[in-house]
Amino acid sequence: DAGVTQSPTHLIKTRGQQVTLRCSPKSGHDTVSWYQQALGQGPQFIFQYYEEEERQRGNFPDRFSGHQFPNYSSELNVNALLLGDSALYLCASTHRDQGTQYFGPGTRLLVL
Amino acid sequence: AQSVAQPEDQVNVAEGNPLTVKCTYSVSGNPYLFWYVQYPNRGLQFLLKYITGDNLVKGSYGFEAEFNKSQTSFHLKKPSALVSDSALYFCAVRDNAGGTSYGKLTFGQGTILTVHP
Repeated sequence: DAGVTQSPTHLIKTRGQQVTLRCSPKSGHDTVSWYQQALGQGPQFIFQYYEEEERQRGNFPDRFSGHQFPNYSSELNVNALLLGDSALYLCASTHRDQGTQYFGPGTRLLVL
Repeated sequence: AQSVAQPEDQVNVAEGNPLTVKCTYSVSGNPYLFWYVQYPNRGLQFLLKYITGDNLVKGSYGFEAEFNKSQTSFHLKKPSALVSDSALYFCAVRDNAGGTSYGKLTFGQGTILTVHP
């Protein structure tokens, strides 16, 4: 049973560029959440997708957007990258009735 | 608004001794509480959760946690620590207000656990 997978594992971008991160949920899961974990901090909630709609959003600017596909996989897009966007981006999946979020290994983004 | 506090940045214990990692929370409704562990350069691994029922929750790798509603705490414990338990531990809460079974997790800042041989 494959767990949550994310790609790429590492990414280096420059300020002002755009980036797309990808996530495949655990088998049987239909809900995907994205978190940003800055160095030395706990993960911060970005948004959650269910039935291809953004269901809940944290305190992140509109530069952060997402998408969920019919197969439940998801993308996180960040436009106009800032140095402060450098972080580990975590994807978590769950089944709507279960509640426990299972995390992928993350994508480490470095903005130069 | 929901919040989590982990008052200790670091906890150091000797192998074989019991360990406790502290967590307190604040929610408006009933809490769903979670513990996750993170190894270097890895994602978060689920350890255990409290939803309802018995205040003592047992989880993976011999860990357990005690829910205390009056003290709004959910401390992680293990009777006998192993060197391999050394990692970063996060407590998280989800507010059950409105009876939803989904929603964001709010995490604490994390506690670095070091178990010495």
